[in-house]
Amino acid sequence: QKEVEQNSGPLSVPEGAIASLNCTYSDRGSQSFFWYRQYSGKSPELIMSIYSNGDKEDGRFTAQLNKASQYVSLLIRDSQPSDSATYLCAVPPSSGSARQLTFGSGTQLTVLP
Amino acid sequence: SQTIHQWPATLVQPVGSPLSLECTVEGTSNPNLYWYRQAAGRGLQLLFYSVGIGQISSEVPQNLSASRPQDRQFILSSKKLLLSDSGFYLCAWSARTGGKQPQHFGDGTRLSIL
Repeated sequence: QKEVEQNSGPLSVPEGAIASLNCTYSDRGSQSFFWYRQYSGKSPELIMSIYSNGDKEDGRFTAQLNKASQYVSLLIRDSQPSDSATYLCAVPPSSGSARQLTFGSGTQLTVLP
Repeated sequence: SQTIHQWPATLVQPVGSPLSLECTVEGTSNPNLYWYRQAAGRGLQLLFYSVGIGQISSEVPQNLSASRPQDRQFILSSKKLLLSDSGFYLCAWSARTGGKQPQHFGDGTRLSIL
């Protein structure tokens, strides 16, 4: 089992719709969760951090965390073509090397105008 | 605010030539530093990380090496490049404070080996 799993997509949604990106992780002790956005040919950019169960909202983005189910998601409301990118979920291990992040393989999102 | 600089942005090198990529961080002290490689259409592969000057941990045995001569400087090197070294090289930093911190990436270097 991969440590961090994401649906690779591609995921296509029409402009104005809600895009839902999902991530599961295997380390039950993980405490921090991060979402990165990577445009084609560019470097990953941190867009959301979440540390507690529940929802965290930042503008059109909502991160949802369920530690019992080992599941974190990212919702993008009112999706725009400019949201078209690959979204990476990242989780640090709960023990051992606390300096590293395990990245999922990413979900490619396309927002259709 | 913290910033991270990587250079060059693009590089074309012949097989067998040496490599030196440099990364510097500003606005923070004692950062953790990382080198990643991303092949076209693939995920991030951690190559090296460093928690302090002269302290390098290697994640993938290969013909690359890393050095940290100063607190906020991280260098990726190779004596002889292989075709398989082509890719997008990313430097990242994270705070060394307690807890689990996110990483912040530089703009990357796109390396093509001919």
